[in-house]
Amino acid sequence: DARVTQTPRHKVTEMGQEVTMRCQPILGHNTVFWYRQTMMQGLELLAYFRNRAPLDDSGMPKDRFSAEMPDATLATLKIQPSEPRDSAVYFCASGQRQGGPDTQYFGPGTRLTVL
Amino acid sequence: AQSVTQLGSHVSVSEGALVLLRCNYSSSVPPYLFWYVQYPNQGLQLLLKYTSAATLVKGINDFEAEFKKSETSFHLTKPSAHMSDAAVYFCAVSVSSASKIIFGSGTRLSIRP
Repeated sequence: DARVTQTPRHKVTEMGQEVTMRCQPILGHNTVFWYRQTMMQGLELLAYFRNRAPLDDSGMPKDRFSAEMPDATLATLKIQPSEPRDSAVYFCASGQRQGGPDTQYFGPGTRLTVL
Repeated sequence: AQSVTQLGSHVSVSEGALVLLRCNYSSSVPPYLFWYVQYPNQGLQLLLKYTSAATLVKGINDFEAEFKKSETSFHLTKPSAHMSDAAVYFCAVSVSSASKIIFGSGTRLSIRP
């Protein structure tokens, strides 16, 4: 059955390194969301796209985070440089708007640890 | 602006007992409401959603939720808890004109043998 895939599933890196997380939305879905989940902050919306265009990235620290959709089958979230406070699980979700808000289908997440 | 409040960050019930997870919403326009579940080390999965049709919504795994406008509530229930129901449950709200969903802080459900 159709699923959102995310790579890598786990990433350990050192402070200052660049991190790139990838997401493949469900085929046919035209909306992609990036979330960050931590114990302290819970689930935070970082950014979302419709038809590959960014609609809202107000939840994303602009100085170090960037999100793109090079094509309809790939969304990326990049952190440069990474910091220990970026350690979290990052989820991608995709959806298809049909007369109302999207029902979002979540990927398994990328667990990022920044040392 | 929309928001949801989940009452109780942790709920514990015995296996076979009724599950009740509480959610209250705030919205100036008719809302769309969702319940998602997150099992350990997994992403969120849709349990059910309310889209202004029937006020009693049935979802997967025998869960259901009732939309009560007068109480601004959308509580999640299940008649008989199973050990496999142990997870974190998120209530969420949106409106028809929006794409993004506003999630609550989650309620961790534990099941006692």
